[in-house]
Amino acid sequence: DIQMTQSPSSLSASVGDRVTITCRASQGLDNALAWFQQKPGRAPKSLIYTVSSLQSGVPSRFSGSGSGTDFTLTISSLQPEDFATYYCQQHRHYPLTFGGGTKVEIQ
Amino acid sequence: EVQLVETGGGLIQPGGSLRLSCAASGLTVSSNYMSWVRQAPGKGLEWVSIIYGGGNTNYADSVKGRFTISRDNSKNTLYFQMNGLRAEDTAMYYCASSSTYATFDYWGQGTLVTVSS
Repeated sequence: DIQMTQSPSSLSASVGDRVTITCRASQGLDNALAWFQQKPGRAPKSLIYTVSSLQSGVPSRFSGSGSGTDFTLTISSLQPEDFATYYCQQHRHYPLTFGGGTKVEIQ
Repeated sequence: EVQLVETGGGLIQPGGSLRLSCAASGLTVSSNYMSWVRQAPGKGLEWVSIIYGGGNTNYADSVKGRFTISRDNSKNTLYFQMNGLRAEDTAMYYCASSSTYATFDYWGQGTLVTVSS
């Protein structure tokens, strides 16, 4: 199975900060990498697919990059509604696997 | 607007069975990758099963042989038959879809399955 390792597992940041979350895969993924946001008590929401393609309606302050085994989700200017947990997910190989999550908290 | 609405969760004893349903609107179940993803209380996301547009299926090892994914095209509904339930199957179960890749563009609100005596 492909292991997805996210770092950090949690972070504290302030509104307006630039935030970067990394995701490392145990094998190369080509471009089969997606990012999700989940708020407490809510279903996850798709943010980015195929490494860097923004889902419709997702603000442009979110961006994704990377290749091979190393990927990054960046929030250019953190907004109050962005405090949530973020997950990466690979869809290159079965079983489909998620990272452990990164909780973004208010500093 | 795409909507996925899961039903069928509840409290069930170990060894019991449940069938989850996911009624879709705004998309055609038979033309999409349709998945079940679960989340144990306080834990991360775990993919459990997928059915392709062509009908092929795939399962996580943790549920293979116990759970079955299927769909009813006439009802535009996805199903998840869960047999031999165990305490470790306790989770919120989400239905999710994607039109192009084995990922999850749209999600339902989830249905909670609790396996306990």
